Amino acid sequence: QQPVQSPQAVILREGEDAVINCSSSKALYSVHWYRQKHGEAPVFLMILLKGGEQKGHDKISASFNEKKQQSSLYLTASQLSYSGTYFCGTVTGNQFYFGTGTSLTVIP
Amino acid sequence: DSGVTQTPKHLITATGQRVTLRCSPRSGDLSVYWYQQSLDQGLQFLIQYYNGEERAKGNILERFSAQQFPDLHSELNLSSLELGDSALYFCASSPSSGGGYGYTFGSGTRLTVV
Repeated sequence: QQPVQSPQAVILREGEDAVINCSSSKALYSVHWYRQKHGEAPVFLMILLKGGEQKGHDKISASFNEKKQQSSLYLTASQLSYSGTYFCGTVTGNQFYFGTGTSLTVIP
Repeated sequence: DSGVTQTPKHLITATGQRVTLRCSPRSGDLSVYWYQQSLDQGLQFLIQYYNGEERAKGNILERFSAQQFPDLHSELNLSSLELGDSALYFCASSPSSGGGYGYTFGSGTRLTVV
């Protein structure tokens, strides 16, 4: 029931774009995205509700396709501060599950 | 400061001992969640409380227990500690019991069992 994220890890140069995918085997009510820097607490980025909406947060945006039970996080013109591990979180019924995580490293 | 307060920040204890981790949720939030994160691992859901009542249970060991008090702060009790219990323990809070809002995490308690 834990959502699967891909890729597991990605290395980018500053200014490059990245896409992180999150797939669930269960029907989804909503999808959350979080970023966690090493040794720190996860920080909430955004939530997407049913309806196929797309949301943005500075140069980070996301989409949610409830029919495919998938969500994607788009990072454009990446900055060094984007480095960290990204987790999706999915709500199925009344249970919340964090995804497997994607380690993103941005290098100069 | 996220508004979620966890104490203590660090804890070192011996195997077989018992410890209590404390969490004060963000003002106005009724739900408290506990997560365990082992070294470079994902976030394992332990338990959720909503307004004093247990709402959901995850992979919480029988040696672990939790409660939420009338003032909404929560405590996670870990007993008969083993080396494998060494981890970061996060508390998170949200306004509701479901997934309609994001979770706000505290800075965590790093537990080291020696």
